[in-house]
Amino acid sequence: NAGVTQTPKFRILKIGQSMTLQCTQDMNHNYMYWYRQDPGMGLKLIYYSVGAGITDKGEVPNGYNVSRSTTEDFPLRLELAAPSQTSVYFCASRWTSGGTGELFFGEGSRLTVL
Amino acid sequence: AQRVTQPEKLLSVFKGAPVELKCNYSYSGSPELFWYVQYSRQRLQLLLRHISRESIKGFTADLNKGETSFHLKKPFAQEEDSAMYYCALSGLSNTDKLIFGTGTRLQVFP
Repeated sequence: NAGVTQTPKFRILKIGQSMTLQCTQDMNHNYMYWYRQDPGMGLKLIYYSVGAGITDKGEVPNGYNVSRSTTEDFPLRLELAAPSQTSVYFCASRWTSGGTGELFFGEGSRLTVL
Repeated sequence: AQRVTQPEKLLSVFKGAPVELKCNYSYSGSPELFWYVQYSRQRLQLLLRHISRESIKGFTADLNKGETSFHLKKPFAQEEDSAMYYCALSGLSNTDKLIFGTGTRLQVFP
């Protein structure tokens, strides 16, 4: 099993450009999450999904969009990139809610907006 | 509101010393608490969860509902414990969000 796969690993964007961070998991997990990791700020939840066709906002959703058309894929879209979106992005998934579900993470995508 | 606080950004100890990484939480319902760890150049991974009441790599954590704390402890630190540690909270009564603290970097010197 590949687990959670994110692409690209690195990307540099100019202000105003758009891009999509891809995330796919092969564990048939219902729940998927996008976090951003900023130095000293820890992990902040951007969006999450509890199943195909269902998404919801996390702590810091502004400037991002997501979709969940299949169980496997949960792409994160940046429409108008801003320097404040420079961060490391992590996708994660788990099978169940609450305490029984271990969260599996991707390797991360480092995005720089100049 | 759901919140996780890790007051220490950095904790430095010598090998063999005891370690305690602090975690306090705020949650109105019944929380599920976790510790995740990120070793250098590796993915974030689950270290332990309070519901399992287990010891992993010598680490333990006890949920103290009175003090709303879930501190991570190890009696004798090893150099390979050096990593970033995140405390996380999920509530059974909410919509399955998992919220992380800001993390504590543990440095264990030889």
